[in-house]
Amino acid sequence: GQQLNQSPQSMFIQEGEDVSMNCTSSSIFNTWLWYKQDPGEGPVLLIALYKAGELTSNGRLTAQFGITRKDSFLNISASIPSDVGIYFCAGHPTYNNNDMRFGAGTRLTVKP
Amino acid sequence: ETGVTQTPRHLVMGMTNKKSLKCEQHLGHNAMYWYKQSAKKPLELMFVYNFKEQTENNSVPSRFSPECPNSSHLFLHLHTLQPEDSALYLCASTLAGAKDEQFFGPGTRLTVL
Repeated sequence: GQQLNQSPQSMFIQEGEDVSMNCTSSSIFNTWLWYKQDPGEGPVLLIALYKAGELTSNGRLTAQFGITRKDSFLNISASIPSDVGIYFCAGHPTYNNNDMRFGAGTRLTVKP
Repeated sequence: ETGVTQTPRHLVMGMTNKKSLKCEQHLGHNAMYWYKQSAKKPLELMFVYNFKEQTENNSVPSRFSPECPNSSHLFLHLHTLQPEDSALYLCASTLAGAKDEQFFGPGTRLTVL
């Protein structure tokens, strides 16, 4: 099946630093989504991308839908302690909108 | 608060027990999903219901039995589980056919002894 490769698996950064994580696939995706999961909670959507090349921001977060449609990145600027959590990429690889695939997640730790 | 609730939040059961997980969404959605989340692995889609009809069963063992009595409620009935079934079980919902985000519940942390 179409796997999503998310990297890095984990990051330990200092408060105030910028963060970048990405997701790649061997197949074309029609949608890229970035979720954040806090401990004990379900994933919450941060940014949704629907067109190749699309660059979207949500506060300090910026994500892009790669031009090849096989990758996406998420940047977090000026990190703060509440950015701690697990970030997942996800996407629809086909026009079956039930078929959403997830990356394995990037665990972010922010040291004050 | 995403509009999707799950009960119980935590469940410990023996391998011979029968239990059920419940999911309820208050968002007017008509598609509901069960996912399994194990440590350091991608979310695994288990079942999909569109308009109360099951449309996907991702090769899930028969010891997991879903039920969707209406568009707002989804159950996952569990019986004779194995310790490797211990995981976080997440429910999600969306509008069927929409290329939109799925809204997730907080999950049920299941431990099988």
